[in-house]
Amino acid sequence: GENVEQHPSTLSVQEGDSAVIKCTYSDSASNYFPWYKQELGKRPQLIIDIRSNVGEKKDQRIAVTLNKTAKHFSLHITETQPEDSAVYFCAATLSTSGTYKYIFGTGTRLKVLA
Amino acid sequence: DGGITQSPKYLFRKEGQNVTLSCEQNLNHDAMYWYRQDPGQGLRLIYYSQIVNDFQKGDIAEGYSVSREKKESFPLTVTSAQKNPTAFYLCASSKGGLWNTEAFFGQGTRLTVV
Repeated sequence: GENVEQHPSTLSVQEGDSAVIKCTYSDSASNYFPWYKQELGKRPQLIIDIRSNVGEKKDQRIAVTLNKTAKHFSLHITETQPEDSAVYFCAATLSTSGTYKYIFGTGTRLKVLA
Repeated sequence: DGGITQSPKYLFRKEGQNVTLSCEQNLNHDAMYWYRQDPGQGLRLIYYSQIVNDFQKGDIAEGYSVSREKKESFPLTVTSAQKNPTAFYLCASSKGGLWNTEAFFGQGTRLTVV
């Protein structure tokens, strides 16, 4: 079945450094790749997304890249701040016969050290 | 105030009892989803629905049941057949459509079996 692998599971960086989280998906029919941030005890919230017809997207300090051939996509956070500390989830959306489902990675716990 | 609402926030259940988690959305979204979140395992799909009166099993549907009688509502029943029901449950909704879009999450229900 469909699968999304996410690495690393935990990541600690110094404030101001960059953080990179990588995901790999299994189904080449996936066409939409959102990234969610979940703070402790709260609901996941979208921070950036990318569609299969785009290779890169940037929003201020956050960027996402997609390599469809390798079925890889990555989240890049530059100039990290303590408020970036959270769990980040990648997802791949698969659309088949009019049905859609989001398959999530296992999450990356990011700690930004002041 | 538009959004997706789950209730209750905390729920305690005795072993052998069924319990129903509520999920309501006023975003006019066609698609709704239920996920289970356990530490270190990310978000695992239980059931999803694209239209009223239709739903599909996700990866971990055993021991759960759902209904979709109204577009706005997608309740999840955790039955006594679910062997390890203690977890954080998240409901989500999205527009659906040819190009899928952001999924919005409820605030979650933490279920504890006592």
